[in-house]
Amino acid sequence: SYELTQPPSVSVSPGQTASITCSGEKLGDKSAYWYQQKSGQSPVVVIYQDSKRPSGIPERFSGSNSGNTATLTISGTQAMDEADYYCQAWDSSTAVYVFGTGTKVTVL
Amino acid sequence: QITLKESGPALVKPTQTLALTCTFSGFSLSTSGQGVGWIRQPPGKALEWLALIYWDEDKRYSPSLRSRLTVTKDTSKNQVVLTMTNMGPVDTATYYCAHRSPLGSGGYYFDYWGQGTLVTVSS
Repeated sequence: SYELTQPPSVSVSPGQTASITCSGEKLGDKSAYWYQQKSGQSPVVVIYQDSKRPSGIPERFSGSNSGNTATLTISGTQAMDEADYYCQAWDSSTAVYVFGTGTKVTVL
Repeated sequence: QITLKESGPALVKPTQTLALTCTFSGFSLSTSGQGVGWIRQPPGKALEWLALIYWDEDKRYSPSLRSRLTVTKDTSKNQVVLTMTNMGPVDTATYYCAHRSPLGSGGYYFDYWGQGTLVTVSS
């Protein structure tokens, strides 16, 4: 079955850039999606179709997807961005949805 | 405005069958392109997709849990029901239902989520 792998944790200083990777076989051939989940809350999508931001999501969130890796970038990271982040893809060969292993972003 | 809310037992015993209901508003599951999915999250662990039902009754399941899952819909009540058989302690998790974004709006992701319901499996 299709798998998506993320680093368990990323640390970033306030105002700096955080990059979170998501690896999967030929992920670049699919669309990648990213969710932010703050403690005790439901996930919220921050990036869809690789690089699009839903309304209300700050411009500091951006995404890219190529080859086997999708990347979520948070520019000018703020304390409020501290959360768990999950990537997600849809495997067209099996029509199933897959979530990544999750990354905890800590703003030091 | 789309909203979803999960309901069901907070505690189930090992080997029992779990039935969770997702009651939603703001869309109709009889409208082309609509879908409702179920996702769970064990305490301190990652999200895991379980199942999804589409407007046309097409149903998709996680390959690893397919034999234990059934998803149905009641369009007149705006409800989706997930049943999971033979529950065990490893199934302890928060269970979410979520609206699948229509294809014309980005497609294969979940744009609205319920608040989640914690299900504990214990004797």
